[in-house]
Amino acid sequence: DTEVTQTPKHLVMGMTNKKSLKCEQHMGHRAMYWYKQKAKKPPELMFVYSYEKLSINESVPSRFSPECPNSSLLNLHLHALQPEDSALYLCASSQAIGGLADSYEQYFGPGTRLTVT
Amino acid sequence: GENVEQHPSTLSVQEGDSAVIKCTYSDSASNYFPWYKQELGKGPQLIIDIRSNVGEKKDQRIAVTLNKTAKHFSLHITETQPEDSAVYFCAAIHRTALIFGKGTTLSVSS
Repeated sequence: DTEVTQTPKHLVMGMTNKKSLKCEQHMGHRAMYWYKQKAKKPPELMFVYSYEKLSINESVPSRFSPECPNSSLLNLHLHALQPEDSALYLCASSQAIGGLADSYEQYFGPGTRLTVT
Repeated sequence: GENVEQHPSTLSVQEGDSAVIKCTYSDSASNYFPWYKQELGKGPQLIIDIRSNVGEKKDQRIAVTLNKTAKHFSLHITETQPEDSAVYFCAAIHRTALIFGKGTTLSVSS
């Protein structure tokens, strides 16, 4: 089973709202990722968590706040977003970061389609 | 940092034909190269990958080749079917993160 689940599937929020995106995997993976994907563009990395600790932050604005409560869950808290933040937000997971042969394989969830009005 | 170039941006083939998508990368230290298929409204799906110690890998109708000297790798799809229509992304690993090419929209007409 290589399933990563994300909720909600769609989210519309105003610029003053606070909302959260959720991601879950039960593959025993210890690395989890948030990507942002604009229409007709490739995914762009936002954050990487390794063993529940933030490993990489790709200079993402502070209005995006990630959280990894445990090894299976990853959240992305949203506050005071701008219309240009509208995009597909993808979560992914892998066994680990680098090292062992299979640890690079990243599996993506279906994404949350976010619209900021 | 790593840069991945992908060509062509669009590719139209007839059902049963072969399709080839090519990518080049810049960082010679990159050692893992996956290919993803993304259908409309869905997340990217890992379809095949190759590591730097291997020159070619095949899985049914899909194959990937890697030329480390030239720093390029290619996806080959044989006997294409309409359900192969999607956007395909190549990627290379860099500092534990995937750097994606810009994608190829493959259309297979019956």
